Amino acid sequence: KAGVTQTPRYLIKTRGQQVTLSCSPISGHRSVSWYQQTPGQGLQFLFEYFSETQRNKGNFPGRFSGRQFSNSRSEMNVSTLELGDSALYLCASSLLAGGYNEQFFGPGTRLTVL
Amino acid sequence: AQKVTQAQTEISVVEKEDVTLDCVYETRDTTYYLFWYKQPPSGELVFLIRRNSFDEQNEISGRYSWNFQKSTSSFNFTITASQVVDSAVYFCALSEGSGNTGKLIFGQGTTLQVKP
Repeated sequence: KAGVTQTPRYLIKTRGQQVTLSCSPISGHRSVSWYQQTPGQGLQFLFEYFSETQRNKGNFPGRFSGRQFSNSRSEMNVSTLELGDSALYLCASSLLAGGYNEQFFGPGTRLTVL
Repeated sequence: AQKVTQAQTEISVVEKEDVTLDCVYETRDTTYYLFWYKQPPSGELVFLIRRNSFDEQNEISGRYSWNFQKSTSSFNFTITASQVVDSAVYFCALSEGSGNTGKLIFGQGTTLQVKP
């Protein structure tokens, strides 16, 4: 069974630009969560999606948005990029929604903002 | 507020030594879930274990074992006879909101270096 895939793996953008990251969950999994990992703040929750609906959102500005498609694939978008948005963005999939489920993580997208 | 503390930032051991990674959590929920993840240099978080708050039995999986103690709000992870391949960053995590949300609260991680 294929794992969680994230594209692209690496991305370099400049301040003010926008970026879209993609996540394909494990086949059959319907829930996708996103996390941001930085050396200073560690791993922080961004969003959780289930059946195309955002169930939860972390404490991030409105520049961070996401969506989930009917095939459970998810995208997240960051508009008006700032230097502080440089991070590893991790996507996790689980069979169902809720933190009691095992979440399986993808390899991440490394975003660098110059 | 819910919080996970991994007080050990970095640990260095020599191969075959046993090593314990500490995790202390804070929550007001009576139902909650605890996790351990391993993050090798490739960056992908690898699921190791999930434990719910009602199951205080210790668990052993090969060289890995976990000790869950509600009385001290700790969920420690021990690697027996460590190997170089165990070198990674290890994260302890707590599910928020009785597990009804997909949000995991992670500790800051412990970097384990196993030297040959």
